[in-house]
Amino acid sequence: QVQLVESGGGVVQPERSLRLSCAASGFNFRNYAMHWVRQAPGKGLEWVAVISHDGSTKYYEDSVKGRFTVSRDNSKNTLYLQMNSLRAEDTAVYFCAKTTVTTVFDCWGQGTLVTVSS
Amino acid sequence: AIQLTQSPSSLSASVGDRVAITCRASQGISSALAWYQQKLGKAPRLLIYDASSLQSGVPSRFSGSGSGTDFTLTISSLQPEDFATYYCQHFNSYPLTFGGGTKVEIK
Repeated sequence: QVQLVESGGGVVQPERSLRLSCAASGFNFRNYAMHWVRQAPGKGLEWVAVISHDGSTKYYEDSVKGRFTVSRDNSKNTLYLQMNSLRAEDTAVYFCAKTTVTTVFDCWGQGTLVTVSS
Repeated sequence: AIQLTQSPSSLSASVGDRVAITCRASQGISSALAWYQQKLGKAPRLLIYDASSLQSGVPSRFSGSGSGTDFTLTISSLQPEDFATYYCQHFNSYPLTFGGGTKVEIK
C-alpha cells in the first residue's frame, strides 16, 4: 500500500540547519508532485512547499522562501526538505504528502517533529 | 494568497446529530476545495475533493457542497469516530492554504 515515512526531525538551535527526508513506497513516486505541510503545536495546518514530479518546478510558502529548499531523488523514492536559518516559529510537525492529479493530499506520512529552541 | 475562513471554530454535538461546517474563500476558487479530518496526534485524512466528490473509502454520511466562495461539509448523522478536527483546503493556485479548522466535540 502507499506509505510515506518522514525522518530527520529533532531539536535544533535557532539559525541552525536540519534536513528532513520522506521515504515513499507503494506507488510510482516519479509520477507525482510531492509536498511538505507543517503543523505547529496546537495549531492548524500550513502548506510549506511543493516539488513537481521531475523536480523542475518548486513553490514555497512566503515565510520559508530563501531558507527552505525542497528536492527529490526519484531513483531513491525520497523527498527532502533542507531547512536553513531556522526560527522558533518553524517549530512544528512536518508532514510529507502525496497529491492526486489535482493538488489534493490523498496520502500523508506520520510526521516528524522539529523543535527550534536554544 | 487566498484566505479560507472556517466556521464555527468549534462545536459540540451528540451522536446522531446533523452537523454542518462552512468554509469561505477570500476570492472565487470554482470547485477547487477539499476537506480533511484530523484526529489528535494523527495525520489528516482526505474526505472530500473537488468540493463535493467523496474520497474512496469515506462513509457516505460525509458530503460536500458549494462553489465559488462558499462551501459546506455536512455530516448527516454524527458517529463516535467522527469527533475530530476538520479542515478545508483550496487548490486553486499557489500558495495552497488551509482553513483554521473546526473542532467537533462530544456534547
